[in-house]
Amino acid sequence: GNSVTQMEGPVTLSEEAFLTINCTYTATGYPSLFWYVQYPGEGLQLLLKATKADDKGSNKGFEATYRKETTSFHLEKGSVQVSDSAVYFCALLKAAGNKLTFGGGTRVLVKP
Amino acid sequence: GAGVSQSPSNKVTEKGKDVELRCDPISGHTALYWYRQSLGQGLEFLIYFQGNSAPDKSGLPSDRFSAERTGGSVSTLTIQRTQQEDSAVYLCASSPGGRGPDTQYFGPGTRLTVL
Repeated sequence: GNSVTQMEGPVTLSEEAFLTINCTYTATGYPSLFWYVQYPGEGLQLLLKATKADDKGSNKGFEATYRKETTSFHLEKGSVQVSDSAVYFCALLKAAGNKLTFGGGTRVLVKP
Repeated sequence: GAGVSQSPSNKVTEKGKDVELRCDPISGHTALYWYRQSLGQGLEFLIYFQGNSAPDKSGLPSDRFSAERTGGSVSTLTIQRTQQEDSAVYLCASSPGGRGPDTQYFGPGTRLTVL
């Protein structure tokens, strides 16, 4: 079946550091891939998405590229801020599917 | 415009009681989803509604869980005879429901605590 694996946290960084959160997936066909973010005390928000191989999703300085050959969708940001402290979830939506399959989430803590 | 809303935001109940959780999707969205977020299981799909089609109930963990969607809009998730393992945050999401990959937009969730 479909599955998403992402690096376990917590990830603790200093402000302006480079952030990478690894995400790999297992799925048949060509799923769409998503990163959602959950800020403290809030609900899930869509951060970015990519719907086909080699697509790059970007938002708020975050980027992720859909790599079919390595079945990966790693999230990166060049210079994090304290306000980026949150839990990040990688997810896939299989082609013609209707339910998201989520990774376990990665907690990121950015210190000033 | 208004996002997905859920009520109540918090619910504390006693083991064995029934609870109802409500979800108001984004206006015009034909697809509605329920997920559960718990410490031990992460984020799990529960049920999916699309228009007037029969719902996909494949994620419901037991027959104590049921959901309905009236008039193609508001949805209610009902948990009967609650157990402590039902304690979790219940998330509702909606999407436009068109062809192709659909982005799901989430509500703030209902935190259920079963004592």
